[in-house]
Amino acid sequence: NAGVTQTPKFQVLKTGQSMTLQCAQDMNHNSMYWYRQDPGMGLRLIYYSASEGTTDKGEVPNGYNVSRLNKREFSLRLESAAPSQTSVYFCASTQTNYGYTFGSGTRLTVV
Amino acid sequence: QKEVEQDPGPLSVPEGAIVSLNCTYSNSAFQYFMWYRQYSRKGPELLMYTYSSGNKEDGRFTAQVDKSSKYISLFIRDSQPSDSATYLCANYLIQGAQKLVFGQGTRLTINP
Repeated sequence: NAGVTQTPKFQVLKTGQSMTLQCAQDMNHNSMYWYRQDPGMGLRLIYYSASEGTTDKGEVPNGYNVSRLNKREFSLRLESAAPSQTSVYFCASTQTNYGYTFGSGTRLTVV
Repeated sequence: QKEVEQDPGPLSVPEGAIVSLNCTYSNSAFQYFMWYRQYSRKGPELLMYTYSSGNKEDGRFTAQVDKSSKYISLFIRDSQPSDSATYLCANYLIQGAQKLVFGQGTRLTINP
């Protein structure tokens, strides 16, 4: 059982480039989330999707867009990457109020 | 003020010690309280959760919630080097946007 799969695991971008982070879960969860993790800041919510067909902004949505492609997949897009978006990005999914399952993360560096 | 505050540490203790990790929160609407453990270069994983004030025990781990003072604790007994990780407290808000709000995380090292 794969759980939550994120691709790619590592990425280096130049300022202004665009890219899409992919996330897929095989647990039939309704809700999916994108977080970023920075030193001293903990996990901050970027966007979430409570169910297929819906998306909502989290705490730090500026510079990002998301797509809930189907129940399994939730992608995060950076249209014009900036150095401030250098971070570790985590996708998570859940069917309960507390049992989030996280992926292993994407380490993104913007130079 | 962040909704969930956690001392980032780092915290370093000898093997076998009792570890106390703490969080405070500001929003009385939080209903579920969780601790996640995150090993280096991995995603967080759920360690314990509780719904109400009081203690919940699971092996060497005890989660304690005091809703009156908005204070959450995790105690680790007989700490082991394998407990070395970052521990994140997380609170779940059931009003409005239902989502987890995380503390900053405390990096813990257990020295053999």
